[in-house]
Amino acid sequence: AQSVTQLDSQVPVFEEAPVELRCNYSSSVSVYLFWYVQYPNQGLQLLLKYLSGSTLVKGINGFEAEFNKSQTSFHLRKPSVHISDTAEYFCAVSETGGFKTIFGAGTRLFVKA
Amino acid sequence: DSGVTQTPKHLITATGQRVTLRCSPRSGDLSVYWYQQSLDQGLQFLIQYYNGEERAKGNILERFSAQQFPDLHSELNLSSLELGDSALYFCASSVENFGTEAFFGQGTRLTVV
Repeated sequence: AQSVTQLDSQVPVFEEAPVELRCNYSSSVSVYLFWYVQYPNQGLQLLLKYLSGSTLVKGINGFEAEFNKSQTSFHLRKPSVHISDTAEYFCAVSETGGFKTIFGAGTRLFVKA
Repeated sequence: DSGVTQTPKHLITATGQRVTLRCSPRSGDLSVYWYQQSLDQGLQFLIQYYNGEERAKGNILERFSAQQFPDLHSELNLSSLELGDSALYFCASSVENFGTEAFFGQGTRLTVV
C-alpha cells in the first residue's frame, strides 16, 4: 500500500522569499503524484500532477515540483511567494491507475509581509 | 467553482442519529470519491465509485456506506453517529481516475453533538 509523508506541518516564510514544501512517498508500484492547495473554507484545488515523462512538473500560480524516484520524493517549490499563497498544501499519491488516492497530512504555508 | 456540488453545506445532528450527504459530480465525470477531513486524522480516503460500481475502499467505518446512482450522483450515509465523526466530508469527481484530474466540492461540515 502507498503512503505519503509531508515533512513539515507548518512553513512560515516572508513574502517574495522562495519556499519548498517537502513530500516523500512509499509505494511498491508505479505512482501518480499530486499537489493540491486548500484555501480557508474551500475545497481542494489541483496545483500540479506527475503522471509520467519529465520529472519537473510546472503547475498553476508559479509552483513547480520535481519527481525524484530514487529519493521517493516530490517536493513543491516556488521561487517567490505572495501573501495570497497562504494556504494548506497537500501532497497525494495514487498507484498507477489512479485509484485510492492517499493524501499527506498537509503543510500549512504562512506567508508574512 | 469546481462544478462539484455537495449538500448540505453544514449539518448539526445528535449522537446516534443517521445522516445522508449528497454529491453531484461535474458533468461528464464518472468517478466519485469521498474523503473525511478532521484535525487529528487529516484527509482520509473513504471510498471511490466509478459509473455506479465501487472501485476502491479506504478507511471507511462499517457504520458508513455510500452508493452512486444511475444519474452518477453519490450519497454517503453515516449512521449511529459519534462525536468523533464530526469532520468536513469532501466529495471529488473525475472523468475516470485521479490521473485525469479530480475536482473537489466545497465539503459538508458535519457536527455531532
